[in-house]
Amino acid sequence: EIVMTHSPATLSVSPGERATLSCRASQSVSSNLAWYQQKPGQAPRLLIYGASTRATGIPDRFSGSGSETEFTLTISSVQSEDFAVYYCQQYNNWPLTFGGGTKVEIK
Amino acid sequence: EVELVESGGGLVKPGESLRLSCAASGFTFSVYSMNWVRQAPGKGLEWVSSISSAGSITKYADSMKGRFTISRDNAKNSLYLQMNSLRAEDTAVYYCARAMRGGGTLFDHWGQGTPVTVSS
Repeated sequence: EIVMTHSPATLSVSPGERATLSCRASQSVSSNLAWYQQKPGQAPRLLIYGASTRATGIPDRFSGSGSETEFTLTISSVQSEDFAVYYCQQYNNWPLTFGGGTKVEIK
Repeated sequence: EVELVESGGGLVKPGESLRLSCAASGFTFSVYSMNWVRQAPGKGLEWVSSISSAGSITKYADSMKGRFTISRDNAKNSLYLQMNSLRAEDTAVYYCARAMRGGGTLFDHWGQGTPVTVSS
């Protein structure tokens, strides 16, 4: 099973600041990596797939990069609606696995 | 508009069974792979099971293999999860999620989830 590890677990940022979230895979997943955003009481929402492609309707302040085992989600200027938990998911191998998430909170 | 609506969750005792349903609308259900993902209280996301568009291929997480069965009825635009021999650690919100076409098994639309509590 591929283990996905987020860092940091919690990221404190002020609105308008840049946020950089990392996700590491225990073995290569090529570019088969997705990012999701989840707000309290809501279902997750797909942000990024293929490591760097924004999903439909996702603002361009969200960007993804990386390949193989190291991936990054960047929010260029954090808005109030971006405070949430972010999960990465690999879909290169079965079983599909998620990371434990990074919580982006208000500083 | 894509809509996924789960139902069937509830409170059951350890060892009992439950069948979850997911009603899909707003897209051609029969051409999409479908999935169940769960989230224990205060925890992260955990993939449970996937089923191909025609229902001929199914996949399960190891901890659910032999206890859970995923199925679908394309004529009814519905996805199901039969859960047997439930354990306390199966307590979670269960989400129905559509797999993105042609992109691998990632989830481009999610339902709002149905809660399952396993407790004596």
